[in-house]
Amino acid sequence: GQSLEQPSEVTAVEGAIVQINCTYQTSGFYGLSWYQQHDGGAPTFLSYNALDGLEETGRFSSFLSRSDSYGYLLLQELQMKDSASYFCAVRDLNDKIIFGKGTRLHILP
Amino acid sequence: DAGVIQSPRHEVTEMGQEVTLRCKPISGHDYLFWYRQTMMRGLELLIYFNNNVPIDDSGMPEDRFSAKMPNASFSTLKIQPSEPRDSAVYFCASSRRLGTKYEQYFGPGTRLTVT
Repeated sequence: GQSLEQPSEVTAVEGAIVQINCTYQTSGFYGLSWYQQHDGGAPTFLSYNALDGLEETGRFSSFLSRSDSYGYLLLQELQMKDSASYFCAVRDLNDKIIFGKGTRLHILP
Repeated sequence: DAGVIQSPRHEVTEMGQEVTLRCKPISGHDYLFWYRQTMMRGLELLIYFNNNVPIDDSGMPEDRFSAKMPNASFSTLKIQPSEPRDSAVYFCASSRRLGTKYEQYFGPGTRLTVT
């Protein structure tokens, strides 16, 4: 089966950089995604890595290493509005999406 | 596009009653997913469809849950009879493949409370 591990909570300071890690176990997959969810809201797509390496979208970057079964989301120039839960998810070979438990990001002023 | 549409947004019902949740995916998307989210279990995939055909329903908790997708623009998730432990937020999401890019769009969710 598939499983994803990510820290349950991370705390960082406004203006700083934070990295949220995700390790996974899966027999095969197409790619790793990241989603953001604010309290009371729906998950929204942030990034998708089909290939190894770094994908950058504004202040957010995502990294994938298939050989290490590892990925991370990097948030730069943190803003208070970035306080949310962040989920990694794998898309398996049947296009099924499995989500991790989520990492709650707390940002201190 | 209006995005994924779900109804109702909130549902409060008594144990034993039938509950039907509705979803309209984004036009042109050929995948539709139903998720359930609770504090204890996180975001669980219940079932997903490709071109209106159920592909994997292994996440459906038990026979009380059923889902249909009669056409490309509509899907339902039904719980009969409902129980208090079914209380959760139910999300519908849709997606399509675009080469190596793959992005799911979530609806606003239905917050279900079973008393």
